[in-house]
Amino acid sequence: QKEVEQDPGPLSVPEGAIVSLNCTYSNSAFQYFMWYRQYSRKGPELLMYTYSSGNKEDGRFTAQVDKSSKYISLFIRDSQPSDSATYLCAMSAGYSSASKIIFGSGTRLSIRP
Amino acid sequence: DGGITQSPKYLFRKEGQNVTLSCEQNLNHDAMYWYRQDPGQGLRLIYYSQIVNDFQKGDIAEGYSVSREKKESFPLTVTSAQKNPTAFYLCASSIVDRGSPLHFGNGTRLTVT
Repeated sequence: QKEVEQDPGPLSVPEGAIVSLNCTYSNSAFQYFMWYRQYSRKGPELLMYTYSSGNKEDGRFTAQVDKSSKYISLFIRDSQPSDSATYLCAMSAGYSSASKIIFGSGTRLSIRP
Repeated sequence: DGGITQSPKYLFRKEGQNVTLSCEQNLNHDAMYWYRQDPGQGLRLIYYSQIVNDFQKGDIAEGYSVSREKKESFPLTVTSAQKNPTAFYLCASSIVDRGSPLHFGNGTRLTVT
């Protein structure tokens, strides 16, 4: 079983819809959680960064962490065609500066105009 | 603008040849990383370095080598011993702190035939 599981999609939704992207994990020690957006043939770009449980909002994006269920989510409101990309979740225990960041395999998202 | 520069964007080599991928950063980050990205497998850590003249193996270091002679530079050599070298290679950097997120370059696509 992988430490971090992410549905690969593809996920296709109409423009303006609310998108929900999710990851589950098995290591209860994870406490730093990230979402990256990756456009085709580009490097991942940090979208959201959260520590421990709770919600964090940034514009149209909301990151949610539920440590009791070992489940994290990224919500995109008023989705735009420019949001079409692969979204990677990532997490780390952060025991030390050398703690590894573990990535999900990514969900491909397509927003239909 | 601060960032990470990877070059070249595309690289083609014949089997049996060593090849070196360049990574330069001007973010003043102490830590640098190399990841390999294959379809459906997420990001896998090859090597990382937290300080000049020191580096550690990641999960898939076999067939790769690195050097860290300058803070800004972390080149990766893909040797002829790497069995499946064709992949998308990503360089990243971060500050040395617990849970610090990674900042990525735009990758090098290596094709070996």
